[in-house]
Amino acid sequence: GAGVSQSPSNKVTEKGKDVELRCDPISGHTALYWYRQSLGQGLEFLIYFQGNSAPDKSGLPSDRFSAERTGGSVSTLTIQRTQQEDSAVYLCATQGQPTDTQYFGPGTRLTVL
Amino acid sequence: RKEVEQDPGPFNVPEGATVAFNCTYSNSASQSFFWYRQDCRKEPKLLMSVYSSGNEDGRFTAQLNRASQYISLLIRDSKLSDSATYLCVVKGSSNTGKLIFGQGTTLQVKP
Repeated sequence: GAGVSQSPSNKVTEKGKDVELRCDPISGHTALYWYRQSLGQGLEFLIYFQGNSAPDKSGLPSDRFSAERTGGSVSTLTIQRTQQEDSAVYLCATQGQPTDTQYFGPGTRLTVL
Repeated sequence: RKEVEQDPGPFNVPEGATVAFNCTYSNSASQSFFWYRQDCRKEPKLLMSVYSSGNEDGRFTAQLNRASQYISLLIRDSKLSDSATYLCVVKGSSNTGKLIFGQGTTLQVKP
């Protein structure tokens, strides 16, 4: 498809388990962002990838969170030893140029029991 | 203080009404400003960018006041389909282009 895709769309896990969330960007978009949105809250920036530059990890809430972007395309966000407060919608957005619009994927709804 | 602040609402208005949303931001070095729309359980989508000179797109008008660090969105002749959450968004002064989102203002347009 032409848009940003994310998988899975929903993930239910038990506290303490690790999860991986995937983002497939729009082809040719060099910038990729991860955000999360807790219930009734605005979006919170997590991490940013731009080409081959070192990622901006300033928004990651703890060292349990990490992300990779392989070959400048697909990105995975990993949360280790999940906690209940990690429950949120995790959104990926991509952008062609710095001044361009960010296009969001449909998100992954994570529920930690 | 949050970097981007909005009145969460909800704003309940009848069809045809004019409604205005306001937003303030704390970082005077912020570069770019936007309004995004988010429907229930959907991802945010860009509604319009906001320029210092003000800009209009159909029934929607956005204004920016840099001196007051204030952004507004005016919706005229509200439609039922305008019901959504409107997110005030600021692009920071860093090189990353990361977006800072307000909490959002919920609009419910009723028949």
